[in-house]
Amino acid sequence: DVKVTQSSRYLVKRTGEKVFLECVQDMDHENMFWYRQDPGLGLRLIYFSYDVKMKEKGDIPEGYSVSREKKERFSLILESASTNQTSMYLCASSLVGYQPQHFGDGTRLSIL
Amino acid sequence: KNEVEQSPQNLTAQEGEFITINCSYSVGISALHWLQQHPGGGIVSLFMLSSGKKKHGRLIATINIQEKHSSLHITASHPRDSAVYICAVRSRGATNKLIFGTGTLLAVQP
Repeated sequence: DVKVTQSSRYLVKRTGEKVFLECVQDMDHENMFWYRQDPGLGLRLIYFSYDVKMKEKGDIPEGYSVSREKKERFSLILESASTNQTSMYLCASSLVGYQPQHFGDGTRLSIL
Repeated sequence: KNEVEQSPQNLTAQEGEFITINCSYSVGISALHWLQQHPGGGIVSLFMLSSGKKKHGRLIATINIQEKHSSLHITASHPRDSAVYICAVRSRGATNKLIFGTGTLLAVQP
């Protein structure tokens, strides 16, 4: 069965810290995605990657960067965390663009 | 105005009731997805539709491409159906990206 694993369910960090969120998929999927989910706004795409070392900005990339050094792993980096980045972060993967996305359980990140 | 609108935003039903959640969109699409998110966060894909109707157990999803509208129906609802239901569309020409609705919070009371 398809498995997308996010490294933490809950994370608390301080303003200004560099924060790493990790995501691993075991399906050999080409595409990986990072979303944030906020009440009343739905899921918004931060970045996605369609191959190793390849990335494309989503709708809200400001304040974030990503890394995909291996096919199975996609990392989201908050360069200098701010309180407005407190949110639920969801990782997803898909085999190819038109296939359904498989989601991880999410990381609830609080920036104090 | 959002490109994907869901209604209602919140829905409370009694166990056994027939439930309908609606999704309207304003862009040309290649596919529409219905997703389910339980408390705690994990999202599961329920259906991917490009035309007609699909059924899985007590869940039925329909789409009318001309009217740019989809519905998700739940027959004989049960408290375990309580979740957020999310509609998402894949616009034509953007195969890697989904546009999401804000979700419908469903509570089924015993």
